[in-house]
Amino acid sequence: EAGVTQSPTHLIKTRGQQATLRCSPISGHTSVYWYQQALGLGLQFLLWYDEGEERNRGNFPPRFSGRQFPNYSSELNVNALELEDSALYLCASSVSTARGHTEAFFGQGTRLTVV
Amino acid sequence: DQQVKQNSPSLSVQEGRISILNCDYTNSMFDYFLWYKKYPAEGPTFLISISSIKDKNEDGRFTVFLNKSAKHLSLHIVPSQPGDSAVYFCAANAGGTSYGKLTFGQGTILTVHP
Repeated sequence: EAGVTQSPTHLIKTRGQQATLRCSPISGHTSVYWYQQALGLGLQFLLWYDEGEERNRGNFPPRFSGRQFPNYSSELNVNALELEDSALYLCASSVSTARGHTEAFFGQGTRLTVV
Repeated sequence: DQQVKQNSPSLSVQEGRISILNCDYTNSMFDYFLWYKKYPAEGPTFLISISSIKDKNEDGRFTVFLNKSAKHLSLHIVPSQPGDSAVYFCAANAGGTSYGKLTFGQGTILTVHP
């Protein structure tokens, strides 16, 4: 069974540009989560999508946005890139949290570098 | 405001001995806790979880203990193996509208020496 897949693996962008990161969840998972791990920092919660809707959002500016598609895959968009957006962006998926607490399984991440 | 803290940045253990990784939390709304292991250039791998209605959960070599009164949890790895060398993160979840949001600690680097 395929795990969570993210693309691209690496992405280099110039300050001010937009970045789009993609995530395909594990088959059967309907919840998708995005986390940021900046250098030297822990994982910071960005966004949670469940059944196509945004359910929760972390303490990030509005230029971080995303969506979940009908097939439950997801996209994270970062507009007006700043140097401090350089980080590892991790996507995770789980079964619907309507069943209560559940474990999230992570992809390998997208390394975004802003120059 | 760091709600989940792993106060030991690193831990070094001899192969075959016990590894004990610790985690403290401050938010009393947290009712579900998880441990993840992370190798460089990979995403975190789920290890084990525990609900606040329990004080212990075991899975093979991994045992998680929860002390709710002290707001403390620990991960025991017995026996430790060199392949266990990685960064270990504890994470906590509050449920309700926060079901999907995991709050992570800063991580502890575990090194198991042969």
